[in-house]
Amino acid sequence: DAKTTQPNSMESNEEEPVHLPCNHSTISGTDYIHWYRQLPSQGPEYVIHGLTSNVNNRMASLAIAEDRKSSTLILHRATLRDAAVYYCIRPNAGGTSYGKLTFGQGTILTVHP
Amino acid sequence: NAGVMQNPRHLVRRRGQEARLRCSPMKGHSHVYWYRQLPEEGLKFMVYLQKENIIDESGMPKERFSAEFPKEGPSILRIQQVVRGDSAAYFCASSILTGRDMWTEAFFGQGTRLTVV
Repeated sequence: DAKTTQPNSMESNEEEPVHLPCNHSTISGTDYIHWYRQLPSQGPEYVIHGLTSNVNNRMASLAIAEDRKSSTLILHRATLRDAAVYYCIRPNAGGTSYGKLTFGQGTILTVHP
Repeated sequence: NAGVMQNPRHLVRRRGQEARLRCSPMKGHSHVYWYRQLPEEGLKFMVYLQKENIIDESGMPKERFSAEFPKEGPSILRIQQVVRGDSAAYFCASSILTGRDMWTEAFFGQGTRLTVV
């Protein structure tokens, strides 16, 4: 089961941190968690991925729960440019050995000035 | 290093015509994926190709759609006898490694927006 569960929408103010949650209760021990985002009229853009420990890059941080059944994407200071649909994905779910991405509905993030 | 290049960005076809969508992966990438995004819907996987091979076409409609990734040149998604329901944004992505323990991120192009009139 490749299912992940995310809230339909979230709102934030500019310059404030944003925590985007994702539930993946059926995750297996070797499934990575990937996050992508899609800005309006753009193709999806890779944000971050992780397996067990927390991860940081220039775009965001990924906090993975100890039992790995949930994770949180953290944008430390939201900007207007961060307004997008954010997708939490398990690329290896379903037994595939390649990055076949199953996009759910994602979370629509609105950032207010 | 140029990103994933798709062309054309916009394509208008009359019903019954053929649509050809092109995708040049990032330099050094030999794995290509095509996705379709219907209006007001999410992205759906269509097909995964490596050079000269179709690995997974489980998301391709059974008729009128085909894809190829030749040894030389871009990957092509071909839609024959287009219908209005084919109007959508088609995205191509490429990646380097596909091993289960070594999977890296997919890089997406800007998409081709197909309008069938």
